[in-house]
Amino acid sequence: GNSVTQMEGPVTLSEEAFLTINCTYTATGYPSLFWYVQYPGEGLQLLLKATKADDKGSNKGFEATYRKETTSFHLEKGSVQVSDSAVYFCALSHSNTGNQFYFGTGTSLTVIP
Amino acid sequence: DAGVIQSPRHEVTEMGQEVTLRCKPISGHNSLFWYRQTMMRGLELLIYFNNNVPIDDSGMPEDRFSAKMPNASFSTLKIQPSEPRDSAVYFCASSLVSSYNEQFFGPGTRLTVL
Repeated sequence: GNSVTQMEGPVTLSEEAFLTINCTYTATGYPSLFWYVQYPGEGLQLLLKATKADDKGSNKGFEATYRKETTSFHLEKGSVQVSDSAVYFCALSHSNTGNQFYFGTGTSLTVIP
Repeated sequence: DAGVIQSPRHEVTEMGQEVTLRCKPISGHNSLFWYRQTMMRGLELLIYFNNNVPIDDSGMPEDRFSAKMPNASFSTLKIQPSEPRDSAVYFCASSLVSSYNEQFFGPGTRLTVL
């Protein structure tokens, strides 16, 4: 079946540090991959996505590359800010299950000044 | 675009009472999802609809939970009777039917059952 495994949190970083949150997936064929972000007290919102192998999604300084060979979609940012403190969710969707999303457990990030 | 609208934003009720959560999806979207989020279990898909038809309700915890989508612009999630363990944040999300299309989430309803 389809599933997503992401790095356990919480993660605490100093401002301007480099961020990596690991995400690996299980699926047949070629799913679409997503990163969502949830700020305190809000719903989830799309951060970036990639719909085919080797695609790179990017937004707000965050990047993730769809790696078919390692079934991974790791989230990176070169220099985090306090405003990046949030919970990050990796997700996939696949045509073999309609447009149902499979979310990871979420990784909480706190950036300290 | 107003985004996905949920009401109420907060609900406090007593055990045994009926609770109804409401959702208005983004106009033109034809898929709607109900999720529950708790610290213990994370984000769980409860049920989703395509073109107003329930497709998968395997995530609905038990018969106390029911969901309807009478038309393309409105859905309800009802809990009757409510229990303290139902306390959670309930999210509604909508999208266009396609694996490439993102889901747009509402702000959520925080439910507290005393």
